[in-house]
Amino acid sequence: DGGITQSPKYLFRKEGQNVTLSCEQNLNHDAMYWYRQDPGQGLRLIYYSQIVNDFQKGDIAEGYSVSREKKESFPLTVTSAQKNPTAFYLCASSIDRGIGEQFFGPGTRLTVL
Amino acid sequence: KNEVEQSPQNLTAQEGEFITINCSYSVGISALHWLQQHPGGGIVSLFMLSSGKKKHGRLIATINIQEKHSSLHITASHPRDSAVYICAVCNNNNDMRFGAGTRLTVKP
Repeated sequence: DGGITQSPKYLFRKEGQNVTLSCEQNLNHDAMYWYRQDPGQGLRLIYYSQIVNDFQKGDIAEGYSVSREKKESFPLTVTSAQKNPTAFYLCASSIDRGIGEQFFGPGTRLTVL
Repeated sequence: KNEVEQSPQNLTAQEGEFITINCSYSVGISALHWLQQHPGGGIVSLFMLSSGKKKHGRLIATINIQEKHSSLHITASHPRDSAVYICAVCNNNNDMRFGAGTRLTVKP
C-alpha cells in the first residue's frame, strides 16, 4: 500500500532537547512538506522540498531544520531554538509542488515538558 | 486577515440533516481543496476544485471563482461524518494556505 508514515505518533521531550520527527513516503512523490497545526489555527508551512538535496523555508521555519537525502524521506528536527515547540506536526507529499493533491501522514503530537 | 476564512467554526447537526460549510479566500488561486481531519489527526483529501462542482457519494463541493467562495455540502449526514473539515487553496506562488477548519458533530 502506498502512503506516508510518520513516527512516532506521540513524542515527549524535555525543554532544551533537540528532537527529530520521521516522515517516509512510498508514493514516488518529488515534493514533501512539513506543517505545524495549533488549536484554532490553520496548518502553517515549516519547510518544503521539491527534490532530493533541496529544501526551502516556509512561513515558520525558525527553530526547525530538515534534510532530504533520499526521495522517500524528509525528517524534521525541532531544535531547542524553537520557542514554542508543543504542537501537532503533519508531513505531506505531492507529485510536484503546486500540482495535484497533497497526501498527509497521520501526524506526530510533540509535547515539550 | 487570513487568506482563507471558513464558517462556521463549529457545527452541530442531527443525523440526516443537510450540512453546508463555507470557505472564502482573498488571493488568486490555481486550485481549492477540501480536506477531512479525523479525531486521531489524520487528514484525507476530499476534493480538488478549480471550477464548477464535484460530487462524491453524499459530498458535494462547489466553487465560484468570481466571488472567491466555495461550499462543501453533506447530504443525509451521519455520525461518521463527524470530523474537522478544512478548506485550503493553492495560491499563484504554489503555496498552500489553509483555513482554520470547521468542526462538525453529527448526533444520532
